[in-house]
Amino acid sequence: NAGVTQTPKFQVLKTGQSMTLQCAQDMNHEYMSWYRQDPGMGLRLIHYSVGAGITDQGEVPNGYNVSRSTTEDFPLRLLSAAPSQTSVYFCASSYRDRESGYTFGSGTRLTVV
Amino acid sequence: AQSVTQLGSHVSVSEGALVLLRCNYSSSVPPYLFWYVQYPNQGLQLLLKYTTGATLVKGINGFEAEFKKSETSFHLTKPSAHMSDAAEYFCAVSDLRGNEKLTFGTGTRLTIIP
Repeated sequence: NAGVTQTPKFQVLKTGQSMTLQCAQDMNHEYMSWYRQDPGMGLRLIHYSVGAGITDQGEVPNGYNVSRSTTEDFPLRLLSAAPSQTSVYFCASSYRDRESGYTFGSGTRLTVV
Repeated sequence: AQSVTQLGSHVSVSEGALVLLRCNYSSSVPPYLFWYVQYPNQGLQLLLKYTTGATLVKGINGFEAEFKKSETSFHLTKPSAHMSDAAEYFCAVSDLRGNEKLTFGTGTRLTIIP
């Protein structure tokens, strides 16, 4: 089924560890984004990409890195995990046209202890 | 800068009653507006969207929303609530530059009372 695939679904990290959250889409979408969802705060944009080789920062980029070497993949790297990064992370993608909404992945629930 | 305000973090309605979830936006340019629904432990699903044209838009599951420029509002309604409507609902706004900066409200959790 076409869509956005996120792995892993659950992850527990120790403070200071690094890891990569994977995101892949098979809809040939130009735009891809990472959001984090925290209770009472809605979804906040971490990083986004408008195409392969192009990335930019969102609202809460500190502690995260991204790259976009292909249209399909947009991994999110946590450099040195902190308890404040405990959250649910969503990857989303869309076409370049302004009228389409985002397609979201099912999320990664990350706990940093 | 664009922003979204959702009035009421929790809304409870009886089964069969009208559902009204409020959303006000701020944007310096004509906005694109979206409502998303999130069921427990799932990702977000597009419910409906306003881009241009008719200001009353219909979405999935019997929901609709009306864009009112003068009130900077995009409230979500459904005439008759069903138990399966229990979920969290997010309003979002995107500006003329494209989808890369979709700004979300803080969400409204809808509870349906049997």
